[in-house]
Amino acid sequence: GQQVMQIPQYQHVQEGEDFTTYCNSSTTLSNIQWYKQRPGGHPVFLIQLVKSGEVKKQKRLTFQFGEAKKNSSLHITATQTTDVGTYFCAGSNAGNNRKLIWGLGTSLGVNP
Amino acid sequence: KAGVTQTPRYLIKTRGQQVTLSCSPISGHRSVSWYQQTPGQGLQFLFEYFSETQRNKGNFPGRFSGRQFSNSRSEMNVSTLELGDSALYLCASSRDSGATNEKLFFGSGTQLSVL
Repeated sequence: GQQVMQIPQYQHVQEGEDFTTYCNSSTTLSNIQWYKQRPGGHPVFLIQLVKSGEVKKQKRLTFQFGEAKKNSSLHITATQTTDVGTYFCAGSNAGNNRKLIWGLGTSLGVNP
Repeated sequence: KAGVTQTPRYLIKTRGQQVTLSCSPISGHRSVSWYQQTPGQGLQFLFEYFSETQRNKGNFPGRFSGRQFSNSRSEMNVSTLELGDSALYLCASSRDSGATNEKLFFGSGTQLSVL
């Protein structure tokens, strides 16, 4: 069945360093969403990408959707302690009743 | 606008019992999804309801069931609880205007412990 792989599973960085998490799908996606879950919290929507090659920025966060619409990345520039949490990607295949397939998440730790 | 409300917040049950969890979506949201979250396993999709009908289903045994009411409120039920059912159960709602996937709004979850 359709799978979404997310790497790395964990990453610890020093505050001020950059961080990237990658999401790879076994099939072409119609769109991909990114969520952030703070420790003890619930997932919060960050962004949705729809177009091939799309790049969107939110302050220090840059989101990309691959040309083939099978992979995506989230890059954080100059991490801060407030970036700590788990980042999930979730992709949808339009032919699958728009069911979201979730990656296992990347847990980010930031050392002050 | 009130967010997604899940009750109860915490629940302790013993093996073999059954449990019902409740979710009230954001006003105007028609789609409700349920997820199971355990450490290291990410978000496991249980099912999605739209207009009182189950639209999508994950790979969980029949002990897990759900329903949606005409006011979009949803409940999920787990019968014959097992130790492995201990998890955070998250509910998410979306407006679902029909065009494409819309962002999900999650509740704070119900933390279920099975002893």
